[in-house]
Amino acid sequence: EVQLVESGGGLVQPGGSLRLSCAASGFTFSSYWMNWVRQAPGKGLEWVANIKQDGSETYYVDSVKGRFTVSRDNAKNSLSLQMNNLRAEDTAVFYCARGDINWYPHFDHWGQGILVTVSA
Amino acid sequence: QSALSQPASVSGSPGQSITIPCTGTNSDLGSYNHVSWYQQHPGKAPKLLIYEVNERPSGVSNRFSGSKSGNTASLTISGLQAEDEADYYCCSYAGSITSPSFVMFGGGTKLTVL
Repeated sequence: EVQLVESGGGLVQPGGSLRLSCAASGFTFSSYWMNWVRQAPGKGLEWVANIKQDGSETYYVDSVKGRFTVSRDNAKNSLSLQMNNLRAEDTAVFYCARGDINWYPHFDHWGQGILVTVSA
Repeated sequence: QSALSQPASVSGSPGQSITIPCTGTNSDLGSYNHVSWYQQHPGKAPKLLIYEVNERPSGVSNRFSGSKSGNTASLTISGLQAEDEADYYCCSYAGSITSPSFVMFGGGTKLTVL
């Protein structure tokens, strides 16, 4: 059974940093693109970032470019999102989501989500 | 690049069919078949219903179907059931890796089963 479990969320002050992790199991992690998708309270879904199987390609939504860094450790079946210079508008539930073997942007398995709150 | 456009809400009675449209542009949704649909119940993670316009993952009911015409994709739910009441999101490739976002979501449609 595919499982994705996020951790590392919490309350952080504006300008602060946080690192999210996603532990993957039940599939060959190194074979898939992986993604982060977020959802602000009461709002819709927003794709944040993705990373290719070998980590050689990463893409970000404009609003987080230069502040967030996605990475992966295939040996540990782990996906990470380093978030720096956090803003109030980054407050959201962050989901780890499995992509496709190709780059196609659909997400067939999701974690339970982890809440990040940016507030003074 | 703005999000894909969906109606804020739709409703239907049990047993009926409903269709949720999702409108993009000829630079994104209209030019690619990388359209997917997600169902989200309150407090839960989204669930993939449809990918590549009309493909259904294993385990998803055949009451859910997808289509595309021009710049508009559609999700049809037939034989509405009470458990279909949820939020539905469309998603598309944005058309370029240099776009503001590699992937675009619609604003979401709340389905009410009357």
